[in-house]
Amino acid sequence: QVTLKESGPALVKPTQTLTLTCTFSGLSLSTSGVRVSWIRQPPGKALEWLARIDWDDDKFYSTSLKTRLTISKDTSKNQVVLRMTNMDPVDTATYYCARIRAVGSATWFDPWGLGTLVTVSS
Amino acid sequence: QTVVTQEPSFSVSPGGTVTLTCGLSSGSVSSSYYPSWYQQTPGQAPRTLIYNTNTRSSGVPDRFSGSILGNKAALIITGAQADDESDYYCVLYMGGGIYVFGTGTKVTLL
Repeated sequence: QVTLKESGPALVKPTQTLTLTCTFSGLSLSTSGVRVSWIRQPPGKALEWLARIDWDDDKFYSTSLKTRLTISKDTSKNQVVLRMTNMDPVDTATYYCARIRAVGSATWFDPWGLGTLVTVSS
Repeated sequence: QTVVTQEPSFSVSPGGTVTLTCGLSSGSVSSSYYPSWYQQTPGQAPRTLIYNTNTRSSGVPDRFSGSILGNKAALIITGAQADDESDYYCVLYMGGGIYVFGTGTKVTLL
């Protein structure tokens, strides 16, 4: 059974850098085909895809946020880390990590972590 | 900037059928976008309903189905039940490792 759990600060100040960690079990990012993504959801708003990292260390970012995001992995710890620079109150959101499953060329997010709420405020 | 559009809200009677759609601000949605659908209730993480256009995820009731209707992806709920009252999101794969979520649809049972 695959499970994922997000962790990080609940509160960050504007202009600071946010660092979030996704710790997972039941899979390994050293295994071919394994991929993990970050997704966020501002309160009362829609989900937004942020970034993806693959087993071979390929990395992909949201077009609108790519200059602020860095995704990385620590295979030995079964963790994926997302860094977002220059935080702003509009970045207040619940941040989720999710495994990306695949069948052929089709991919989808499953399962998801429970999410962690990050508030940006001075 | 690609926008994936969904109806903001839908109301359906218990036992009724509702079709939610997922379109592109420019262009048509086809199976090559590998649309997937997620259900989210307040305070909960999303749950996968449909992937690869029309494949139900494990444990999802068969009253949920997916398809391409015209130039949009569609999620059809047939025989809606009270616990189907949720927010529903589609996701399209744009290629190059990039995904875009839809704007979401809130489904209310009358």
